[in-house]
Amino acid sequence: NAGVTQTPKFQVLKTGQSMTLQCAQDMNHNSMYWYRQDPGMGLRLIYYSASEGTTDKGEVPNGYNVSRLNKREFSLRLESAAPSQTSVYFCASSMTSQHGNEQFFGPGTRLTVL
Amino acid sequence: GENVEQHPSTLSVQEGDSAVIKCTYSDSASNYFPWYKQELGKRPQLIIDIRSNVGEKKDQRIAVTLNKTAKHFSLHITETQPEDSAVYFCAVHSGGYQKVTFGTGTKLQVIP
Repeated sequence: NAGVTQTPKFQVLKTGQSMTLQCAQDMNHNSMYWYRQDPGMGLRLIYYSASEGTTDKGEVPNGYNVSRLNKREFSLRLESAAPSQTSVYFCASSMTSQHGNEQFFGPGTRLTVL
Repeated sequence: GENVEQHPSTLSVQEGDSAVIKCTYSDSASNYFPWYKQELGKRPQLIIDIRSNVGEKKDQRIAVTLNKTAKHFSLHITETQPEDSAVYFCAVHSGGYQKVTFGTGTKLQVIP
Protein backbone atom coordinates (compact mmCIF):
# COMPACT_ATOMS: atom_id res chain seq x y z
CA ASN A 1 0.00 0.00 0.00
CA ALA A 2 1.26 3.47 -0.88
CA GLY A 3 -0.77 5.16 1.89
CA VAL A 4 -1.31 8.84 1.11
CA THR A 5 0.43 10.26 -1.96
CA GLN A 6 0.72 13.86 -3.12
CA THR A 7 1.85 15.53 -6.32
CA PRO A 8 3.84 17.57 -7.03
CA LYS A 9 6.57 17.53 -4.36
CA PHE A 10 7.76 21.04 -5.19
CA GLN A 11 6.24 23.92 -7.13
CA VAL A 12 7.16 27.52 -7.83
CA LEU A 13 4.44 29.87 -9.03
CA LYS A 14 4.26 33.52 -9.94
CA THR A 15 1.66 35.71 -8.29
CA GLY A 16 -1.69 35.28 -10.03
CA GLN A 17 -0.98 31.84 -11.50
CA SER A 18 -3.23 28.90 -10.70
CA MET A 19 -2.47 25.30 -9.86
CA THR A 20 -3.99 22.14 -8.42
CA LEU A 21 -2.39 19.97 -5.76
CA GLN A 22 -3.33 16.32 -6.05
CA CYS A 23 -3.84 13.86 -3.20
CA ALA A 24 -4.81 10.19 -3.23
CA GLN A 25 -5.12 7.49 -0.57
CA ASP A 26 -5.48 3.72 -0.87
CA MET A 27 -6.55 2.95 2.71
CA ASN A 28 -10.29 3.10 2.02
CA HIS A 29 -10.65 6.09 4.35
CA ASN A 30 -13.77 8.21 4.19
CA SER A 31 -12.30 11.43 5.58
CA MET A 32 -9.64 13.52 3.87
CA TYR A 33 -8.03 16.84 4.82
CA TRP A 34 -5.81 19.59 3.48
CA TYR A 35 -3.44 21.46 5.82
CA ARG A 36 -0.85 24.13 5.40
CA GLN A 37 2.23 24.28 7.59
CA ASP A 38 4.06 27.52 8.21
CA PRO A 39 7.05 28.03 10.55
CA GLY A 40 5.95 28.49 14.15
CA MET A 41 2.27 28.01 13.33
CA GLY A 42 1.79 24.28 13.34
CA LEU A 43 -0.67 22.70 10.94
CA ARG A 44 -3.75 24.68 9.99
CA LEU A 45 -6.77 23.04 8.42
CA ILE A 46 -7.78 24.50 5.05
CA TYR A 47 -10.62 22.17 4.00
CA TYR A 48 -11.81 18.72 4.86
CA SER A 49 -14.10 16.12 3.33
CA ALA A 50 -16.02 13.77 5.60
CA SER A 51 -17.11 11.55 2.72
CA GLU A 52 -17.25 11.39 -1.04
CA GLY A 53 -19.29 14.29 -2.34
CA THR A 54 -18.98 16.52 0.75
CA THR A 55 -16.49 19.25 1.59
CA ASP A 56 -16.33 21.82 4.38
CA LYS A 57 -14.19 24.79 5.29
CA GLY A 58 -11.54 24.57 7.95
CA GLU A 59 -9.66 27.34 9.74
CA VAL A 60 -8.02 29.06 6.72
CA PRO A 61 -10.08 28.41 3.54
CA ASN A 62 -9.74 31.80 1.83
CA GLY A 63 -7.98 31.62 -1.54
CA TYR A 64 -8.50 27.86 -1.93
CA ASN A 65 -11.02 25.49 -3.43
CA VAL A 66 -11.25 21.71 -3.15
CA SER A 67 -12.77 18.81 -5.02
CA ARG A 68 -13.46 15.34 -3.66
CA LEU A 69 -13.26 13.57 -6.96
CA ASN A 70 -14.04 10.12 -5.55
CA LYS A 71 -13.34 8.22 -2.36
CA ARG A 72 -9.60 8.04 -3.09
CA GLU A 73 -8.83 11.53 -4.37
CA PHE A 74 -9.04 15.01 -2.85
CA SER A 75 -7.54 17.96 -4.74
CA LEU A 76 -6.71 21.50 -3.62
CA ARG A 77 -6.82 24.37 -6.10
CA LEU A 78 -5.28 27.81 -5.89
CA GLU A 79 -7.09 29.99 -8.44
CA SER A 80 -4.85 33.06 -8.16
CA ALA A 81 -1.74 32.39 -6.11
CA ALA A 82 -0.43 35.00 -3.68
CA PRO A 83 2.93 35.17 -1.83
CA SER A 84 1.02 34.58 1.44
CA GLN A 85 0.22 31.10 0.15
CA THR A 86 3.89 30.11 0.20
CA SER A 87 3.85 27.12 2.52
CA VAL A 88 4.15 23.37 2.83
CA TYR A 89 0.84 21.66 2.08
CA PHE A 90 -0.08 18.31 3.59
CA CYS A 91 -2.95 16.08 2.66
CA ALA A 92 -4.21 13.59 5.25
CA SER A 93 -6.85 10.88 5.55
CA SER A 94 -8.53 9.00 8.37
CA MET A 95 -11.29 6.59 9.19
CA THR A 96 -14.46 8.50 9.90
CA SER A 97 -15.52 8.53 13.51
CA GLN A 98 -17.50 10.92 15.62
CA HIS A 99 -14.83 10.44 18.26
CA GLY A 100 -11.81 11.24 16.10
CA ASN A 101 -9.16 8.95 14.65
CA GLU A 102 -5.48 8.90 13.68
CA GLN A 103 -4.70 10.93 10.58
CA PHE A 104 -2.28 9.58 7.98
CA PHE A 105 -0.33 12.28 6.17
CA GLY A 106 1.10 12.49 2.69
CA PRO A 107 4.72 13.55 2.08
CA GLY A 108 3.79 17.20 1.48
CA THR A 109 4.08 19.74 -1.33
CA ARG A 110 6.45 22.66 -0.90
CA LEU A 111 4.94 25.65 -2.70
CA THR A 112 6.69 28.96 -3.30
CA VAL A 113 4.78 31.92 -4.75
CA LEU A 114 6.97 34.72 -6.08
CA GLY B 1 -13.48 27.84 18.01
CA GLU B 2 -11.00 25.60 19.78
CA ASN B 3 -7.86 27.25 21.16
CA VAL B 4 -4.84 24.97 21.66
CA GLU B 5 -1.66 26.19 23.33
CA GLN B 6 1.51 24.10 23.34
CA HIS B 7 4.56 24.64 25.55
CA PRO B 8 7.47 24.86 25.40
CA SER B 9 8.24 25.80 21.82
CA THR B 10 11.79 24.43 22.14
CA LEU B 11 13.25 21.91 24.55
CA SER B 12 16.81 20.66 24.92
CA VAL B 13 17.60 17.66 27.11
CA GLN B 14 20.58 15.44 27.71
CA GLU B 15 20.37 11.92 26.38
CA GLY B 16 18.76 9.69 28.98
CA ASP B 17 16.79 12.50 30.63
CA SER B 18 13.02 12.89 30.43
CA ALA B 19 11.09 15.39 28.32
CA VAL B 20 7.61 16.75 28.98
CA ILE B 21 5.47 18.77 26.57
CA LYS B 22 2.13 20.22 27.60
CA CYS B 23 -0.94 21.32 25.68
CA THR B 24 -4.00 23.16 26.95
CA TYR B 25 -7.32 23.43 25.16
CA SER B 26 -10.50 25.43 25.57
CA ASP B 27 -13.43 23.28 24.39
CA SER B 28 -14.65 21.00 27.18
CA ALA B 29 -16.41 18.83 24.55
CA SER B 30 -13.07 17.81 23.00
CA ASN B 31 -12.76 14.04 22.96
CA TYR B 32 -9.61 12.85 21.17
CA PHE B 33 -6.03 13.98 21.79
CA PRO B 34 -3.28 12.64 19.52
CA TRP B 35 0.43 13.48 19.47
CA TYR B 36 2.39 13.57 16.22
CA LYS B 37 6.14 13.49 15.63
CA GLN B 38 7.61 15.23 12.62
CA GLU B 39 11.24 14.69 11.68
CA LEU B 40 12.98 17.29 9.55
CA GLY B 41 11.58 17.30 6.02
CA LYS B 42 9.19 14.44 6.75
CA ARG B 43 5.45 14.09 7.28
CA PRO B 44 3.83 14.10 10.75
CA GLN B 45 3.23 10.62 12.17
CA LEU B 46 1.15 9.57 15.14
CA ILE B 47 3.14 8.40 18.14
CA ILE B 48 0.44 8.11 20.80
CA ASP B 49 -3.14 9.21 21.42
CA ILE B 50 -5.66 9.29 24.23
CA ARG B 51 -9.43 9.53 24.38
CA SER B 52 -11.48 11.55 26.80
CA ASN B 53 -12.55 8.56 28.90
CA VAL B 54 -8.95 7.64 29.78
CA GLY B 55 -6.53 9.44 32.13
CA GLU B 56 -3.21 7.95 31.05
CA LYS B 57 -1.77 5.79 28.31
CA LYS B 58 1.73 4.35 27.91
CA ASP B 59 3.68 2.86 25.04
CA GLN B 60 7.20 1.87 26.04
CA ARG B 61 9.12 5.13 26.67
CA ILE B 62 6.21 7.37 25.70
CA ALA B 63 3.18 8.26 27.79
CA VAL B 64 0.33 10.72 27.57
CA THR B 65 -1.71 12.04 30.50
CA LEU B 66 -5.03 13.84 30.26
CA ASN B 67 -6.63 16.11 32.86
CA LYS B 68 -10.12 16.86 31.57
CA THR B 69 -11.03 19.07 34.49
CA ALA B 70 -8.07 21.37 33.91
CA LYS B 71 -8.26 20.89 30.14
CA HIS B 72 -4.69 19.95 29.54
CA PHE B 73 -2.74 16.91 28.37
CA SER B 74 0.95 16.16 28.32
CA LEU B 75 3.43 14.02 26.42
CA HIS B 76 6.13 12.34 28.49
CA ILE B 77 9.23 10.81 26.92
CA THR B 78 11.57 8.93 29.26
CA GLU B 79 15.16 7.83 28.66
CA THR B 80 15.44 10.14 25.67
CA GLN B 81 17.60 9.13 22.72
CA PRO B 82 19.09 11.21 19.86
CA GLU B 83 16.48 9.75 17.48
CA ASP B 84 13.77 11.39 19.60
CA SER B 85 14.98 14.75 18.24
CA ALA B 86 12.10 16.13 16.16
CA VAL B 87 9.15 18.50 16.29
CA TYR B 88 6.18 17.25 18.29
CA PHE B 89 2.62 18.45 17.73
CA CYS B 90 -0.42 17.94 19.89
CA ALA B 91 -3.87 17.99 18.35
CA VAL B 92 -7.39 18.27 19.69
CA HIS B 93 -10.49 16.82 18.08
CA SER B 94 -13.78 18.41 19.03
CA GLY B 95 -17.06 16.97 17.87
CA GLY B 96 -15.32 14.29 15.83
CA TYR B 97 -13.39 14.63 12.61
CA GLN B 98 -14.63 18.01 11.53
CA LYS B 99 -12.88 20.07 14.16
CA VAL B 100 -9.16 19.36 14.41
CA THR B 101 -6.85 21.94 15.92
CA PHE B 102 -3.09 21.47 16.16
CA GLY B 103 -0.71 23.03 18.62
CA THR B 104 2.15 25.14 17.29
CA GLY B 105 4.76 22.45 17.91
CA THR B 106 7.72 21.77 20.20
CA LYS B 107 11.19 21.32 18.79
CA LEU B 108 12.91 18.71 20.94
CA GLN B 109 16.68 18.38 20.80
CA VAL B 110 18.33 15.44 22.58
CA ILE B 111 21.99 16.13 23.19
CA PRO B 112 24.22 13.00 23.10
